[in-house]
Amino acid sequence: DTEVTQTPKHLVMGMTNKKSLKCEQHMGHRAMYWYKQKAKKPPELMFVYSYEKLSINESVPSRFSPECPNSSLLNLHLHALQPEDSALYLCASSQVWGAGTNEKLFFGSGTQLSVL
Amino acid sequence: AQSVTQLGSHVSVSEGALVLLRCNYSSSVPPYLFWYVQYPNQGLQLLLKYTTGATLVKGINGFEAEFKKSETSFHLTKPSAHMSDAAEYFCAVSNAGGTSYGKLTFGQGTILTVHP
Repeated sequence: DTEVTQTPKHLVMGMTNKKSLKCEQHMGHRAMYWYKQKAKKPPELMFVYSYEKLSINESVPSRFSPECPNSSLLNLHLHALQPEDSALYLCASSQVWGAGTNEKLFFGSGTQLSVL
Repeated sequence: AQSVTQLGSHVSVSEGALVLLRCNYSSSVPPYLFWYVQYPNQGLQLLLKYTTGATLVKGINGFEAEFKKSETSFHLTKPSAHMSDAAEYFCAVSNAGGTSYGKLTFGQGTILTVHP
């Protein structure tokens, strides 16, 4: 199994809603990532988890709250989002993180989020 | 600090023609370089990567790239384009040290169109 599975594929939420994005991999990878991709732009790193510990937070607003309950799961909790947060949210994993991050990243298909 | 510049946001070729997608990087330490491909409504897939060693790197789907340190370039080529190559291509850089340790930075992307 070389897949990273993200759910839901599409999400529409209001600015007062609370929702969560889910990401799952069963490749035994110990590094997991959240990226944000706006339309016609490259992915931008948000968070990196290594061995279930948060290793990088790219100064992401607190309305985005990541969680890594175990080595296979990564969640992104959303609360009080703004319309400008509408984007494709990509999850990725790799065997390990660090040492120059020359590891191959496996990406999920993403969650297309629309904030109304 | 590290950065990537992809020359040409759109490249159009005929089926069977040479594909050349340009990428130049900036890195204060020896870089690791990657090319990823993104098909519509999907996540990113690794085509190839350069870490150390041989400067000509072969990847999947007949693509290859050459690391040229003197030119700070990592251009992607394919001798003969196929209709299925139509997608968006991202060059990316990471490195083993400095303030960008453990982070993958993407270029702006190049959309490849293949005409029959």
